[in-house]
Amino acid sequence: NAGVMQNPRHLVRRRGQEARLRCSPMKGHSHVYWYRQLPEEGLKFMVYLQKENIIDESGMPKERFSAEFPKEGPSILRIQQVVRGDSAAYFCASSLRQGAYEQYFGPGTRLTVT
Amino acid sequence: AQSVTQLDSHVSVSEGTPVLLRCNYSSSYSPSLFWYVQHPNKGLQLLLKYTSAATLVKGINGFEAEFKKSETSFHLTKPSAHMSDAAEYFCVVTHTGTASKLTFGTGTRLQVTL
Repeated sequence: NAGVMQNPRHLVRRRGQEARLRCSPMKGHSHVYWYRQLPEEGLKFMVYLQKENIIDESGMPKERFSAEFPKEGPSILRIQQVVRGDSAAYFCASSLRQGAYEQYFGPGTRLTVT
Repeated sequence: AQSVTQLDSHVSVSEGTPVLLRCNYSSSYSPSLFWYVQHPNKGLQLLLKYTSAATLVKGINGFEAEFKKSETSFHLTKPSAHMSDAAEYFCVVTHTGTASKLTFGTGTRLQVTL
């Protein structure tokens, strides 16, 4: 059973470009979460999605960031007009059900903005 | 509101000696608590979880943690450290009222020396 897949693993963008990060949850999981890890910090929740629905986006910056989890295909975290402060590791996690069930994390996408 | 405080940012132990990583939590509801481990440039792996069953929780690789409600603590221990245990450890809290949003501590970097 494949784990959570994220691609690309490393992404370099110049300031002002767009970044698209992809996450395929574990088989059978319909709950997806995105977290951001800034250097020397813990992970911070960004958004929680189920298929075709955003359940909780309380951790998403108000501008430039968006997320989706379509009926078919991976979840996408999109960052428009990237700035240097967006440089971070972005982790996706999935779970089987909502609630206090363990989340399984992908290997992360390390975004570098030059 | 919920939060976790990891009391030590760095812990250094000799191989073969006990490990203690400290975590205190704050939660308005009955919490679920987790410990995750992150090896350099890798994703996160679940070590163990507490979800209101037995207060002493056993995890993978010989780690265990004890939930102490009176002390609001969830410290991680291991009787004998191994070189492969060197990594970043995160204490994490959630509860069903947060739609599964995980709140991470700032992490404890464990160094294991010969």
